[in-house]
Amino acid sequence: GENVEQHPSTLSVQEGDSAVIKCTYSDSASNYFPWYKQELGKRPQLIIDIRSNVGEKKDQRIAVTLNKTAKHFSLHITETQPEDSAVYFCAASIGAGANSKLTFGKGITLSVRP
Amino acid sequence: DVKVTQSSRYLVKRTGEKVFLECVQDMDHENMFWYRQDPGLGLRLIYFSYDVKMKEKGDIPEGYSVSREKKERFSLILESASTNQTSMYLCASSFRGGGQPQHFGDGTRLSIL
Repeated sequence: GENVEQHPSTLSVQEGDSAVIKCTYSDSASNYFPWYKQELGKRPQLIIDIRSNVGEKKDQRIAVTLNKTAKHFSLHITETQPEDSAVYFCAASIGAGANSKLTFGKGITLSVRP
Repeated sequence: DVKVTQSSRYLVKRTGEKVFLECVQDMDHENMFWYRQDPGLGLRLIYFSYDVKMKEKGDIPEGYSVSREKKERFSLILESASTNQTSMYLCASSFRGGGQPQHFGDGTRLSIL
């Protein structure tokens, strides 16, 4: 089955700097890649996603890039703010059938230092 | 806005008890999921359902079962609770098919004593 890995497990940046979180996946048939943000004590929330027919997607300060050849995708956060501190999960899914499901990475804890 | 509601935020049960965790969604989603979240292990899929009365095992189904009698409700059952099932349990829902974002509930922090 699909395997999704995130590196590093923790990341600390200075406020205002950029943060890049990278994920790799194992199954070349994966076609959907969402990113979730989970603040302390709260539910995971979708912040951005990308499909395999697109190389890059942006939404204000966040962007996601996909490299299908290398089987990795990355989350880029510019001008980081303290409220960006959270656990970030990447995920991948395969197929378009009724039983398509997501495989999540283990999560990365991002700390933004004021 | 999508609402996924889990019946309890915190639950304390004893070893050997049968435990029910309930999840309700209001967006007419076909798919519903149960995950377990443990520190350093991320989100691990226990079971999911893509239709009423349909279910599929996820990555860690042992010790759990599920029930989907109505489209909006998905129940996770711990047949005989054990201490290693102490965890945060998250329910999610989505429309059917690939490339559909999942929407999560607030989670149930379950402690088995």
